[in-house]
Amino acid sequence: EPEVTQTPSHQVTQMGQEVILRCVPISNHLYFYWYRQILGQKVEFLVSFYNNEISEKSEIFDDQFSVERPDGSNFTLKIRSTKLEDSAMYFCASSGDQTTNEKLFFGSGTQLSVL
Amino acid sequence: GNSVTQMEGPVTLSEEAFLTINCTYTATGYPSLFWYVQYPGEGLQLLLKATKADDKGSNKGFEATYRKETTSFHLEKGSVQVSDSAVYFCALNDYKLSFGAGTTVTVRA
Repeated sequence: EPEVTQTPSHQVTQMGQEVILRCVPISNHLYFYWYRQILGQKVEFLVSFYNNEISEKSEIFDDQFSVERPDGSNFTLKIRSTKLEDSAMYFCASSGDQTTNEKLFFGSGTQLSVL
Repeated sequence: GNSVTQMEGPVTLSEEAFLTINCTYTATGYPSLFWYVQYPGEGLQLLLKATKADDKGSNKGFEATYRKETTSFHLEKGSVQVSDSAVYFCALNDYKLSFGAGTTVTVRA
C-alpha cells in the first residue's frame, strides 16, 4: 500500500536554529498538508498546499514557517528560527482528492525537540 | 468555530473487555465525523467515518454512530485485543480536519 514517508523521525535542535522537516507524499497525490501535535494537546492544522502554492494556513503558521515542494516529490516544512514552543510531533499528509478530506494519508510524524 | 472534545486517557483494559471512547462535537453545520487511529510507530490511519446524522461507521469491530441530538460520535468495541493498543483521535471535517486530543488505549493480555 502506498504511504507517506517523513524524515527524520526525531529531530533535536537548539532554540533559534532553522529546521527542515521532510516528507515524501504519495506519488499521484496533489494536495499536501502539515499538522502538528504538541504533547498532550490536539492535532492542529498548519497549512495546506496545492498547485505549488499555499491554499490555506492557520494562525499558527506565521512568518517563521514556510513550505516548499522543491523537486516534485518532496514536500518540506521549514521553521526559520525555532522556539521552545515549536516542540511537537509534526505530521505530513497528502490527498488525491480535496473534496473528501477523509482520504488524507498521514506519515508517521517527525518529533521535533527544541532545546 | 467547529471543534471536537474526546475523553481523556489513558485507558487500560484487559483483553476481551468492552471499550468506549466518548467524543462530542461543536459545529455550525453538519460535518462529517471520523475516528483515526495511530498504532505505535505509525502514522494516523482512518478507522471509520460517518457523513450524516444516524449513520453508523464500522471497521475492525469498532463502531460509532453520528448522533445529532447529543452531538456525539462515541467509539465502541465489544471485545478488544492487544493489537488494539493505540492512540485514537476523533475528528470532524470542516474543509480541513479538526482533531480531538487523542485517547491512548492499552490492552493487556
